[in-house]
Formats: sequence, structure tokens, C-alpha cells
Amino acid sequence: KAGVTQTPRYLIKTRGQQVTLSCSPISGHRSVSWYQQTPGQGLQFLFEYFSETQRNKGNFPGRFSGRQFSNSRSEMNVSTLELGDSALYLCASTASGKYEQYFGPGTRLTVT
Amino acid sequence: SQQGEEDPQALSIQEGENATMNCSYKTSINNLQWYRQNSGRGLVHLILIRSNEREKHSGRLRVTLDTSKKSSSLLITASRAADTASYFCATGFKAAGNKLTFGGGTRVLVKP
Repeated sequence: KAGVTQTPRYLIKTRGQQVTLSCSPISGHRSVSWYQQTPGQGLQFLFEYFSETQRNKGNFPGRFSGRQFSNSRSEMNVSTLELGDSALYLCASTASGKYEQYFGPGTRLTVT
Repeated sequence: SQQGEEDPQALSIQEGENATMNCSYKTSINNLQWYRQNSGRGLVHLILIRSNEREKHSGRLRVTLDTSKKSSSLLITASRAADTASYFCATGFKAAGNKLTFGGGTRVLVKP
């Protein structure tokens, strides 16, 4: 099976802009989770989607949002970008009934 | 916020030696997982141990879990240069779906 894919891999945006990141899970996986990784805060959970519904949400401001489509592909959106949003954004998919998460290569977002 | 801490933060060993890293967490868990990350790329799942298990093996990896002390350890035996990476523990909670809470990670350098 193909692994988790994320697009784009790299992104440079300016403060105040918005950005949309995409994640395609492993075929058959219905759960997609998003994480933010920064040198200062480490890996932090953003949210999880399962069958097009947000199942869990981390402690991030409302500028961070996401959605999941009927084919399980997921997108996350960050509006009104701040310098502190510069990070590696990782998505992971999980098979039903399992706990192991399979991560994509990440999208490195730089906000200038 | 992170669930716990990993110790040591960094480890440098010679090829062939064993590497041990520890993870502590704060609350009751359903499972604990270890992941590897190479140079800011995606995470790779290594091993999962459930809260009712005390030890698990997978190839050169050995994981222990002590729920009374809220701690886990990962042992990599006969290390190779290719084991150079950052290693993260992550805890899961039954009520939290697939949300994982990560530790700060241990950077391991295996010198040839």
C-alpha cells in the first residue's frame, strides 16, 4: 500500500496570510490526525478526524481548523498566519481498531 | 503541553553498543508507543506496548513499561549507524481516540 502523502512539502508564507495543507491517508484508514512540531514546543496534537467528523481537538487557537472528505483525505487550514506558526506539520493515519499511527513526510511551513 | 519527559535528551554511542532511553508520563494510559524520526522528517512507528503489558520485543528493540512508576524504557541492542535518529515516546488514552501525547525525544548518535 502507498504510504501517507502530504502536499505541499515546503511552503513559505507571509504573516497574515492563510494556508491549506493536504494529507492523503493510507488506503482504508479512516482516521487522520494532525500534529505540529516545533523546536520549542515539540510535537503537539492539533486534531483528529474520523469519518469526516472531528473526534478530538488539541489546545490550539481557532485559526487552526481542519476537515475530512468522504475519501478520508484531510486538509488543515491556518488563517492569519503568525511567525510562531512556522513548524513542521505532520499528519498520520490509523487503521480502525488499531493504535499505531503512520506518518506522512510532513509539510514544512515557514512564515516570514 | 507534553505528557512527560524523555531521558537522556541526547545520547552518543559507538556502533555495536546498546542504547537505552527512558520516558516518563503523568497520567493513566491505554498504550505507549515509540517512534523514530530522521532529520525532521516523518515519524516511523517502532513498537507499541499496552498498559497491561510489561515487556515487548521487536527485532533489536526491547520496550518495558512500569505503570506504577509511569515510566517506559526503550533499548536498542547492537546499534548501527542507521539507528542515528530522534526517538519519541507517545502515550494514548482510551477516551481520547487516536490522540497521542509525545515526549520531548532523545537524539541518538551512533558513531561508526
